[in-house]
Parts: sequence; C-alpha cells; structure tokens
Amino acid sequence: KAGVTQTPRYLIKTRGQQVTLSCSPISGHRSVSWYQQTPGQGLQFLFEYFSETQRNKGNFPGRFSGRQFSNSRSEMNVSTLELGDSALYLCASSLGLRDIQETQYFGPGTRLLVL
Amino acid sequence: AQTVTQSQPEMSVQEAETVTLSCTYDTSESDYYLFWYKQPPSRQMILVIRQEAYKQQNATENRFSVNFQKAAKSFSLKISDSQLGDAAMYFCAYRSANDMRFGAGTRLTVKP
Repeated sequence: KAGVTQTPRYLIKTRGQQVTLSCSPISGHRSVSWYQQTPGQGLQFLFEYFSETQRNKGNFPGRFSGRQFSNSRSEMNVSTLELGDSALYLCASSLGLRDIQETQYFGPGTRLLVL
Repeated sequence: AQTVTQSQPEMSVQEAETVTLSCTYDTSESDYYLFWYKQPPSRQMILVIRQEAYKQQNATENRFSVNFQKAAKSFSLKISDSQLGDAAMYFCAYRSANDMRFGAGTRLTVKP
C-alpha cells in the first residue's frame, strides 16, 4: 500500500498570502489529522477530519481551516499568513474507527516558509 | 488540559548499549493511550510502541519496551542493543477520545 502523501513538500510564501496544503491518506483510511511542527512549540494538533466532517479541533485561530473530500483526501488552508506560521505541517491518516488505540500513519510533511 | 513532558532534550548512547528516554504526562481522564513515535532525519514519523492505560503489563516491541507507571503518570521508553538506525527524534504522545498531545521530543544520538 502506498503511504500517506503530502503535496507540495516545500513552499515559500509571503506574509498576508494564503496557502493550501494537500494530503492523500493511505487507501482505506477515512480519518485525516493535521499537525503543525515548529522548533519552539513542537508538535501541535490542528484538526481531524472523518467522512468529510471535522471531528476534533486543536487550539488554532480561524485562519487555519481544512476540509475533506469524499475520497478521504484532505486539504488544509491557512489564510493571511504570518511569519509564525512557518513550520512543518504533518498529515496523519488512520482507519477512523474512533478507537484511540488506532495507529496514525504520518506523511513526510510540507515545509512552509513565510517571508 | 493534558500535558506531556519530555525532560531530556538530547540523549546519547553507545551502539549496542541501552538507553532510557523519559516522559511524564498529566491527565484527569481514565481512558487513554500513550505512544512513542520516532522521527528520523528524513522526517517521516513512525510509531515505535503504544501502551493502553488500562493495561498494567508494559508493552514490548523487539528492542523497544516501556516502563509504564500509571500512578506516577510516567511512560519511559527503553531501547536495548541500540543501533545506528535508532538515531532520531523521539516523541512521547498522549491520546484520548478528544485530545492528542505530543511532548517536545528527545533527540537521540547513537555513537558507533
């Protein structure tokens, strides 16, 4: 099975712009979670989508949004970019059985640099 | 709020020796899982081992084992017979029905 894929792998944007990141989960996985990883804050949970619905949400401003399509692919959008949004954005997929023991499989991440 | 603390930013171990990475957490929930993830320099995060809060028996996966002390809210990872490929960032993680949190990570260096 192919793993979790994320596109693009690298992105450079300027302040005020918006960006859309994409995540394709492992085939058969219906849950997609997004995380932001920075040297200062570490790994922080953004949100989780299951069956096209947001199931959980972390403590991030409304500039961060996401969606999931019927094929379970997910996109994450950040509007009005700030310098502090520079980070590695990780996507993780799982079956979505709502079982907390479920293993999440991570993608390679998208590295976003905001200038 | 649940917090996960990894007090060792960096650790070093000689190849073939044993190293223990520490993790403590704080929660008021009773149903949760604890995980150790490994993030090698290539950045793809992979699961190393997981532990259910209800199980007293410590989880083991080959050279990796945990010491789970529920009352102390401690969840350490022991790596035996360390190999060069074990060099990575290791993250301790907590997951409940409504929350997923990671520690700040421990960078493990393996010396040949």
